Amino acid sequence: AQRVTQPEKLLSVFKGAPVELKCNYSYSGSPELFWYVQYSRQRLQLLLRHISRESIKGFTADLNKGETSFHLKKPFAQEEDSAMYYCALGGAGSYQLTFGKGTKLSVIP
Amino acid sequence: GAVVSQHPSWVICKSGTSVKIECRSLDFQATTMFWYRQFPKQSLMLMATSNEGSKATYEQGVEKDKFLINHASLTLSTLTVTSAHPEDSSFYICSAHPPQDQTQYFGPGTRLLVL
Repeated sequence: AQRVTQPEKLLSVFKGAPVELKCNYSYSGSPELFWYVQYSRQRLQLLLRHISRESIKGFTADLNKGETSFHLKKPFAQEEDSAMYYCALGGAGSYQLTFGKGTKLSVIP
Repeated sequence: GAVVSQHPSWVICKSGTSVKIECRSLDFQATTMFWYRQFPKQSLMLMATSNEGSKATYEQGVEKDKFLINHASLTLSTLTVTSAHPEDSSFYICSAHPPQDQTQYFGPGTRLLVL
């Protein structure tokens, strides 16, 4: 069974501080991993996916198959980064995604 | 980019009535769409997978006779909440993915309030 764990419900950091949002997954096959972000009163939007290896809005995430993790990182948090962040897992042969419970990031000015 | 719309954005109805929510992929065709429910300050709960031209696949615990899904075209899926009750009040979100792309694009959601 697929499972995504985001251990922190809430993460507060000061502006300019580094940010790491944790995500661990459980999946027996080859995973496809995503980070989605939901700003206040907006729809969920894709932040990044591991296969593209892009850096979006300064965020990066590296898939670590050994630790089954896909942590989201940013070296210097900005106030506009305050939002809900969801880690999502997809599997081969299925377009369904399994979402974690989400982490609310609050950046303190 | 891929855009998904939902209509209506919010609806208030009386208990016992039925409510239809539309989900459209505006600039791509989607053979598969997904319907989620999101409770306040909680994550998304997948309700069902909507398949164009065939029956929807419901997640465990979701009543298929309660939540009717129709995916009649490659750009439109509808969710009908039948005989709505106050406990059906929630935020309903749909998503769709372009062909051969596992990325899901989300609609803005529909807030349903059943009185």
